[in-house]
Amino acid sequence: GQNIDQPTEMTATEGAIVQINCTYQTSGFNGLFWYQQHAGEAPTFLSYNVLDGLEEKGRFSSFLSRSKGYSYLLLKELQMKDSASYLCAVKDSNYQLIWGAGTKLIIKP
Amino acid sequence: GAVVSQHPSRVICKSGTSVKIECRSLDFQATTMFWYRQFPKQSLMLMATSNEGSKATYEQGVEKDKFLINHASLTLSTLTVTSAHPEDSSFYICSATFGGGGNSPLHFGNGTRLTVT
Repeated sequence: GQNIDQPTEMTATEGAIVQINCTYQTSGFNGLFWYQQHAGEAPTFLSYNVLDGLEEKGRFSSFLSRSKGYSYLLLKELQMKDSASYLCAVKDSNYQLIWGAGTKLIIKP
Repeated sequence: GAVVSQHPSRVICKSGTSVKIECRSLDFQATTMFWYRQFPKQSLMLMATSNEGSKATYEQGVEKDKFLINHASLTLSTLTVTSAHPEDSSFYICSATFGGGGNSPLHFGNGTRLTVT
């Protein structure tokens, strides 16, 4: 079956750096997405990776290794507003999005 | 760009009534729209996929006669929860994309919090 794993919850300190990992096993691969979802709100798009390597976008970076079925989202200079759930999603061979359960990130002052 | 509007944001209804949720793509033509449901502290659950002008494709376990989806135009899709029951209370989110290719992200509406009493 298809599966995406990410930690359920992580805690970090304001101003620090945190890395949220995502591993996947899917039938085919057509890209990996990271979304941010604040409580009670809809997800918002953060990043897209389809080739191996690091994509940097401001304080957020996303890394992909297709051979390892692995990605991470790196958040730098954490701010209190970064407290949210971060969802990893993979498009399979049929371009269907497979969603992870999300990682709840708690930022402490 | 790529704005998706969902309405209403919150609705409370009595058991047995029907509720319609609208999803509009405001600045692009959505070839495909998706309807998700999310229970507290759980991930998104895809309910159905709809393409403009054709019947929706429902995920296993989702009753098509209970959750009616209409995608009449490239900018509008509606989800009607018929004969709602308390167990239908959830957060419903629509999303849209204008391409099926790998790098086409989903753009989400703001969601509808449905409470059935």
